[in-house]
Amino acid sequence: DAKTTQPPSMDCAEGRAANLPCNHSTISGNEYVYWYRQIHSQGPQYIIHGLKNNETNEMASLIITEDRKSSTLILPHATLRDTAVYYCIVRGPFGYNQGGKLIFGQGTELSVKP
Amino acid sequence: NAGVTQTPKFQVLKTGQSMTLQCAQDMNHEYMSWYRQDPGMGLRLIHYSVGAGITDQGEVPNGYNVSRSTTEDFPLRLLSAAPSQTSVYFCASRTGDLYGYTFGSGTRLTVV
Repeated sequence: DAKTTQPPSMDCAEGRAANLPCNHSTISGNEYVYWYRQIHSQGPQYIIHGLKNNETNEMASLIITEDRKSSTLILPHATLRDTAVYYCIVRGPFGYNQGGKLIFGQGTELSVKP
Repeated sequence: NAGVTQTPKFQVLKTGQSMTLQCAQDMNHEYMSWYRQDPGMGLRLIHYSVGAGITDQGEVPNGYNVSRSTTEDFPLRLLSAAPSQTSVYFCASRTGDLYGYTFGSGTRLTVV
């Protein structure tokens, strides 16, 4: 699986958009980008994933660059409850002997401040 | 629909004791995994399973055994607990190859 690089920490003002970057310059053509977050002491929570097109759901938007070497997770209106560690993960290849693996890096600690 | 249920939530073991961390999901998910998380660190994959009867090792499998006799259950066994296994353990499950994992609330294990 491709290695990802994220800033260790970021701050965001409540109500503003939080833009969390992730570099994955060695990503392969069949690898997806996944985002999870972990609020203190809780189990991680799946947010969104994508291959090459931008994706949006009720939680966030995912913007993947055209060359797929980086991506940005956008929380459009951050709240205090969005304070968490956010993990960017690149996954693949698929097949039964690889499909179970999801390898977490260090993530970005996002602090949303009033 | 309870999601992923882990028991116990807290456990203290003495060095050398054995125990089983339970994980059950009621979503008929094929894929299940066990992770451990140490203070200030990210999650590390211990073992995973892609279906009943099929398991494989993750990043840090030593000292742990798993089995998957049913789709619903994926227990993690510590054969002889060591202080280095003090950690928070998370179980997760998902369906389909591209779907996100649903995580349990964790088991906080202390080995003294």
